[in-house]
Amino acid sequence: DVQVVESGGGLVQPGGSLRLSCAASGFTVSSNDMNWVRQAPGKGLEWVSIIYKGGDTYYADSVKGRFTISRDYSKNTVYLQTNSLRAEDTAVYFCARVHYGYLDIWGKGTTVTVSS
Amino acid sequence: DIVLTQSPGTLSLSPGERATLSCRASQSVSSNLAWYQQKPGQAPRLLIYDASSRAAGIPDRFSGSGSETDFTLTINRLEPEDFAVYYCQQYGRSSGLTFGPGTKVDIK
Repeated sequence: DVQVVESGGGLVQPGGSLRLSCAASGFTVSSNDMNWVRQAPGKGLEWVSIIYKGGDTYYADSVKGRFTISRDYSKNTVYLQTNSLRAEDTAVYFCARVHYGYLDIWGKGTTVTVSS
Repeated sequence: DIVLTQSPGTLSLSPGERATLSCRASQSVSSNLAWYQQKPGQAPRLLIYDASSRAAGIPDRFSGSGSETDFTLTINRLEPEDFAVYYCQQYGRSSGLTFGPGTKVDIK
């Protein structure tokens, strides 16, 4: 089956860090663009970051300088390192495969809660 | 940056009726627009890409149209499972992805 599974979410204090993981199966992250999208409670979808198969990375202004996207070919996994977390980063974080600019394979998401 | 606006915010309809959802872009996106459906507690699902192409496994009661700045998602003969939130999305290589705020289709 072609799928992605996120993990690594949890409860963290403001200013803390978490590393989110997105394990892919049925395809290789090295041959695909991969992306993180988040959704705050009761809100809409917000794009967070993308890593192109060529290695270029881009970030939403709201997370630039605090979040880093990366990938591990040997584990077929994409990561989102989240630092200096704020209350407004509280959300479900979805990993998704990018296919010609669209998100065709989504995971179920991992929840990040930033609270003291 | 391109901004997507969706209308209406909420659409109240009965099963069997037709739903017409609008997405407007602040500047031309050509046909580089997708539509997603999201049900509570679930991840979004790709419905339409390139403005009018149905994704794999999507019933033909879903159709997309439009280009440049004005786009429409039409759902013919609403089924009970179609009541959900719908988002449009556009893509730019260095600006990333942009989502609209969503339209909720609920049961009248």
